Amino acid sequence: QKEVEQNSGPLSVPEGAIASLNCTYSDRGSQSFFWYRQYSGKSPELIMSIYSNGDKEDGRFTAQLNKASQYVSLLIRDSQPSDSATYLCAVKKSGANNLFFGTGTRLTVIP
Amino acid sequence: DGGITQSPKYLFRKEGQNVTLSCEQNLNHDAMYWYRQDPGQGLRLIYYSQIVNDFQKGDIAEGYSVSREKKESFPLTVTSAQKNPTAFYLCASSMKWQAYEQYFGPGTRLTVT
Repeated sequence: QKEVEQNSGPLSVPEGAIASLNCTYSDRGSQSFFWYRQYSGKSPELIMSIYSNGDKEDGRFTAQLNKASQYVSLLIRDSQPSDSATYLCAVKKSGANNLFFGTGTRLTVIP
Repeated sequence: DGGITQSPKYLFRKEGQNVTLSCEQNLNHDAMYWYRQDPGQGLRLIYYSQIVNDFQKGDIAEGYSVSREKKESFPLTVTSAQKNPTAFYLCASSMKWQAYEQYFGPGTRLTVT
């Protein structure tokens, strides 16, 4: 079982719609969760971090964490073509000194 | 401007040669990390350093070496022992090693033929 799992996609949504990206993790004791955006050929960019159960909103982005279900998601409201990228989920496992990354979900926003 | 720089952006080497990838940060971050990214495999940790003059192996350290003589610099050497070195190499840093918000440099794409 992988430490962090994401659907590879591609996920296609029309411009203006809500994009929903999902991530599950294997270590129940994980404490810190991150979403990165990676444009093709570029390096990952941190867009959200979440540490507690519930929702955290930042502009058009909302991260949702459910530790009981070992599930973290990223919602992008009013999706724009510029949001087209691969989104990486990263998790800090208990007892580990580094992050574990999923393989990413490729999002395409169709104008 | 504060940030992380990696050089060069593209690097080509012949098989059997060692090559060193540069990573510099002026964010005053304590911790630095090296990852490699291959298509469909996500990011895999090579080495990390929590403080100057200290570093630990990550999940795929074989064939790689690092040094951390200065807080700002964390160079990665890809040795000839690395069996499949062609990849996108990413350097990252975080403020403290306990702070897991990591920020990435622009990356170096290494091609070995």
